[in-house]
Amino acid sequence: AQSVTQLGSHVSVSEGALVLLRCNYSSSVPPYLFWYVQYPNQGLQLLLKYTSAATLVKGINGFEAEFKKSETSFHLTKPSAHMSDAAEYFCAVSVHSGSARQLTFGSGTQLTVLP
Amino acid sequence: DAGVTQSPTHLIKTRGQQVTLRCSPKSGHDTVSWYQQALGQGPQFIFQYYEEEERQRGNFPDRFSGHQFPNYSSELNVNALLLGDSALYLCASSLVLGPSDTQYFGPGTRLTVL
Repeated sequence: AQSVTQLGSHVSVSEGALVLLRCNYSSSVPPYLFWYVQYPNQGLQLLLKYTSAATLVKGINGFEAEFKKSETSFHLTKPSAHMSDAAEYFCAVSVHSGSARQLTFGSGTQLTVLP
Repeated sequence: DAGVTQSPTHLIKTRGQQVTLRCSPKSGHDTVSWYQQALGQGPQFIFQYYEEEERQRGNFPDRFSGHQFPNYSSELNVNALLLGDSALYLCASSLVLGPSDTQYFGPGTRLTVL
């Protein structure tokens, strides 16, 4: 069964510092991977997705992620953190189950940006 | 372009009651999925609807049921509410074109069961 593991339930960085949020996946077939962001009391917003076209994926708000098959990883990075980046981030893998495709999410990483 | 909308935004019920949550998909989308997000956890897949039929179901009891209408909007019904059903319920819509059909989420309905 496909799954994702997010290492670190809480990450704190200073404003202007590098953001690195870790995600490792487990999949018996080539995965489709996603990063979503959730601001307080809101739904999920798609940041970026990997669909095998390119290993380095650029998303919104300056975020990017690199698919590394050898490491089964899809870590999310941003060169310089902004206060507005404070939110919860979810990594997800798209799983084909029966006739449907569903998302399986990690447990999330809460990002705090310190002034 | 209207995104995914959900109603109501908040709901308070008591144990044993029944609740109906509503979702309108993003314009042009034909598939609706429902997820439950308990506090401090990632969303868990409940089920997905396409062409007015349930295509796939996650590990949720039969108390959770749904419906999709001809205009692609959807309802999630939960019977005999338990305290543990308190969560944020998220609706996501997508257009099934290929294996990477991206799901777009609504703002959610916060259900509190007392």
